[in-house]
Amino acid sequence: AQSVTQPDIHITVSEGASLELRCNYSYGATPYLFWYVQSPGQGLQLLLKYFSGDTLVQGIKGFEAEFKRSQSSFNLRKPSVHWSDAAEYFCAVGARGNTPLVFGKGTRLSVIA
Amino acid sequence: SQTIHQWPATLVQPVGSPLSLECTVEGTSNPNLYWYRQAAGRGLQLLFYSVGIGQISSEVPQNLSASRPQDRQFILSSKKLLLSDSGFYLCAWERGQGRTDTQYFGPGTRLTVL
Repeated sequence: AQSVTQPDIHITVSEGASLELRCNYSYGATPYLFWYVQSPGQGLQLLLKYFSGDTLVQGIKGFEAEFKRSQSSFNLRKPSVHWSDAAEYFCAVGARGNTPLVFGKGTRLSVIA
Repeated sequence: SQTIHQWPATLVQPVGSPLSLECTVEGTSNPNLYWYRQAAGRGLQLLFYSVGIGQISSEVPQNLSASRPQDRQFILSSKKLLLSDSGFYLCAWERGQGRTDTQYFGPGTRLTVL
């Protein structure tokens, strides 16, 4: 079965600084990988996903993520953070079959002036 | 385009009362449907999922149940609520067809059990 780890529970960055959120997964084959964002009191919104092909994936809101098979990672990056990026971020991994996604416990991002 | 609805948006219920939360999806057919719960300060907990009408898989044994009476309707129920049932309940849909795909989430229901 697949699993996913988000090592950072809470990260604080300054507005305009770069951001990297870590995600490590465990799965015996090439997984499907996702990043979602959740604002307080809202549902989850898909930022980007990786199924196959180019390992650098572009998403919405200026985010990107890179699939690194050798490191079993799918880290989320943004070159310049905006105050509106403050939210909870979830990484998820899916197996190549009809089984539910497995979500990480989330990383809460705070943005300071 | 596809849309997913959840209602009610917020709910305050006394301990021991029944519960019914509804989720409906528009613009797609035969979706996979999911119920998740978020307790305060915690991640997503998968409660139930369904790959078709009347087909329910339970991930966590508890006093909640789920039903799928129609293709695009997914209901979460309880006969007697516990304090520990408080949380944010999220419904999600995914294209079926027998393989993993992107999940799309509804706006959620905030349940407070007093």
